[in-house]
Amino acid sequence: AQSVTQLGSHVSVSEGALVLLRCNYSSSVPPYLFWYVQYPNQGLQLLLKYTSAATLVKGINGFEAEFKKSETSFHLTKPSAHMSDAAEYFCAVSVNDYKLSFGAGTTVTVRA
Amino acid sequence: GAVVSQHPSRVICKSGTSVKIECRSLDFQATTMFWYRQFPKKSLMLMATSNEGSKATYEQGVEKDKFLINHASLTLSTLTVTSAHPEDSSFYICSANGLASVGYEQYFGPGTRLTVT
Repeated sequence: AQSVTQLGSHVSVSEGALVLLRCNYSSSVPPYLFWYVQYPNQGLQLLLKYTSAATLVKGINGFEAEFKKSETSFHLTKPSAHMSDAAEYFCAVSVNDYKLSFGAGTTVTVRA
Repeated sequence: GAVVSQHPSRVICKSGTSVKIECRSLDFQATTMFWYRQFPKKSLMLMATSNEGSKATYEQGVEKDKFLINHASLTLSTLTVTSAHPEDSSFYICSANGLASVGYEQYFGPGTRLTVT
């Protein structure tokens, strides 16, 4: 079965600083990987996805993630944090059964 | 494109009553719909998966007689919480994927906050 592990339940960054959210996956077959963002009392919005094309994936709001098979990682980055990036971020994996397995989530706070 | 709506966004009901939550795909046909439950500051827990016209598949530990799921059409799924109790209070989120979904991408609704008093 597939799973993801998000390292760090809470990340605090200064406005303008690099945002790095870590996600490692476990899968016996090539996975599809996703990063979603959730604002308070809202559903999930897709930031980006890896579907076995380019290993460096660019998403919305300036986020990108790199798929590294050797490290079984799919870390999310943004070069310069904005106050509006404060939210909950979820990494998710899917293989052949169309279900998503979510990580525990990482809360991002942005300091002015 | 790929918009999913939920109704209501917020509901308060008394213990022992039933409440229905609707999930609609507005601009695409959803081949599969999913229902999740999210506790405060926690991740999403998949409750069940449903396909149009067939019985939902429930995850282990989810009471199918308590959480009734109906997927009557390719654009509508409903979750009915029967005989609700305060411990059923939670944030319920639905999602859907369609024929155009790549890599099993799911499109999420905005969620429904259920409070049982």
